[in-house]
Amino acid sequence: EIVMTQSPATLSVSPGERATLSCRASQSIGSDLAWYQQKPGQAPRLLIYAASTRARDIPARISGSGSGTEFTLTITSLQSEDFAVYYCQQYNNWPTWTFGQGTKVEIK
Amino acid sequence: EVQLVETGGGWIQPGGSLRLSCAASGFTISSNYMTWVRQAPGKGLEWVSVIYSDGTTYYADSVKGRFTVSRHTSQNMLYVQMNSLSAEDTAVYYCARVDSGNEGYMDVWGKGTTVTVSS
Repeated sequence: EIVMTQSPATLSVSPGERATLSCRASQSIGSDLAWYQQKPGQAPRLLIYAASTRARDIPARISGSGSGTEFTLTITSLQSEDFAVYYCQQYNNWPTWTFGQGTKVEIK
Repeated sequence: EVQLVETGGGWIQPGGSLRLSCAASGFTISSNYMTWVRQAPGKGLEWVSVIYSDGTTYYADSVKGRFTVSRHTSQNMLYVQMNSLSAEDTAVYYCARVDSGNEGYMDVWGKGTTVTVSS
């Protein structure tokens, strides 16, 4: 099983600042990585797939990068709606999908 | 509008069974790979099962032999039959569609239904 490790567990950021979230895979997954956003009481929402492709209606301030085992989600100029939990997910080794444990982005 | 709506959650005693349903609209379930993903209280996301468009099914080791995923094509419904439930199965259960290109990411999610296993 491919283990996905996210860091940090919690990120405290002021509105308008930049947030950088990391995700590491236990083995190379190429670019088969997705990022999801989840707000309290809501379902996950697809943000990024193929490591760097934004999903429909996702603003340009949200971007993804990386390949192999190291990936980054960057949110520039954080807005109020961006405070949430973010999960990375590998889909290189499906049908065994695995998620990271999540990074909570909170207001500083 | 593409939408998924889960129902069937509730409280069940350990050892019991429950069937969850997922109603799809705006697309055809049988033409897509469909998954169940769960989230225990305060925890992260865990993939549970998938049914391919050809009917092939796969399960996470944690539920293999206890859960069965199926679909009703004409009703455009997805199901998961959950047997021998334990406290570790307590979670919000989401159905999610694998992207139409079958690359593997999940592009549509339902709002989830809560299953509580407790005596």
